Amino acid sequence: GAGVSQSPSNKVTEKGKDVELRCDPISGHTALYWYRQRLGQGLEFLIYFQGNSAPDKSGLPSDRFSAERTGESVSTLTIQRTQQEDSAVYLCASSSSQGSANSPLHFGNGTRLTVT
Amino acid sequence: AQTVTQSQPEMSVQEAETVTLSCTYDTSESDYYLFWYKQPPSRQMILVIRQEAYKQQNATENRFSVNFQKAAKSFSLKISDSQLGDAAMYFCAYRSPLRDDKIIFGKGTRLHILP
Repeated sequence: GAGVSQSPSNKVTEKGKDVELRCDPISGHTALYWYRQRLGQGLEFLIYFQGNSAPDKSGLPSDRFSAERTGESVSTLTIQRTQQEDSAVYLCASSSSQGSANSPLHFGNGTRLTVT
Repeated sequence: AQTVTQSQPEMSVQEAETVTLSCTYDTSESDYYLFWYKQPPSRQMILVIRQEAYKQQNATENRFSVNFQKAAKSFSLKISDSQLGDAAMYFCAYRSPLRDDKIIFGKGTRLHILP
């Protein structure tokens, strides 16, 4: 596709279950970002990939959160033993390395996670 | 560390009028990039306009323009001839050329357009 694709668009899960969120970036974009956005709030940085590497994982809220990226393409964000405070919209964005910092982020539509 | 502040949680403007959203930031870097993103109810963040700090000329994109005051570390967004489709959350963002990993976003301003 032409844009960043995220799936599922909505996910309702029971507390304690594991969930996996998927992001398909724009083809050729080497940089990939995950953000969390709680209701009515701003964007909270979670993790960044350059290629398949994540140089800094300190943004992940707890050890229940993990992320990986393969083939410099698809990324998955996994939340284990979900808690109600994990309820939020999870946004993925990708960016071209060409032009570096001037390159804007291209966002997906997000996954709305609701933990009951 | 860099910070981005949007001091107006909500604003309203009459359709066809002009509105200015404020953004200030703090940084010790001399070169950087600033962005305004729009997030409509559909949730997808869309780039509105960008500004490179070493360029003195204010960026303009159709009805959207910025007032970039580097010394004051201010980056406001002006929307002219406001339209109903401009209703959204607007986020100001800072990006350092030295660190690709973290792009600092403000907390956002919700803009209402009054018909």
